[in-house]
Amino acid sequence: DAGVIQSPRHEVTEMGQEVTLRCKPISGHNSLFWYRQTMMRGLELLIYFNNNVPIDDSGMPEDRFSAKMPNASFSTLKIQPSEPRDSAVYFCASTLKAGETQYFGPGTRLLVL
Amino acid sequence: SQQGEEDPQALSIQEGENATMNCSYKTSINNLQWYRQNSGRGLVHLILIRSNEREKHSGRLRVTLDTSKKSSSLLITASRAADTASYFCATVRNSGNTPLVFGKGTRLSVIA
Repeated sequence: DAGVIQSPRHEVTEMGQEVTLRCKPISGHNSLFWYRQTMMRGLELLIYFNNNVPIDDSGMPEDRFSAKMPNASFSTLKIQPSEPRDSAVYFCASTLKAGETQYFGPGTRLLVL
Repeated sequence: SQQGEEDPQALSIQEGENATMNCSYKTSINNLQWYRQNSGRGLVHLILIRSNEREKHSGRLRVTLDTSKKSSSLLITASRAADTASYFCATVRNSGNTPLVFGKGTRLSVIA
């Protein structure tokens, strides 16, 4: 298996622009997680899905953030409009069952100017 | 509130020495997991230890769990320069089917 795939790997954008991050989980995994990592705040869980259904989005910082999982093999995290403080590395991870071993993608490094 | 808290925040040792990192948590858990992150990369799972287990080994890694003290330790024996990375503990609450809660990690530097 190719593992968790994320795109793009790097994104540089200007404040106010819309940013869409993409994730393809490992085939057969039922849970998908979006994290954000910064030096100041560490690794934060933004939202997670079980069987394509959002379960807990309490970590989503603001209404500017939204996430979807239209099918078992694809998820997006959208930021609209983006702000400089959104600059971070965003990780997607998947697992067979929430609470078990998670498999992380390589991350998307986002820089908002 | 954050569950896992690693200690120390940073650790620097010589190649060949053992490295010990600790993790403390606050509530009852279903399992505790350790992950490694090389600079600029995603996290990689190392070991999962369940609440009814006390010790687990994987190669040069040894993990212990003390549920009475709500703490865990990760020991890396005979460290190598390639072990240089950040190490995170993550806990899963008692219900089991819940997401991981990560600590802020221990930054390990192994000097050749």
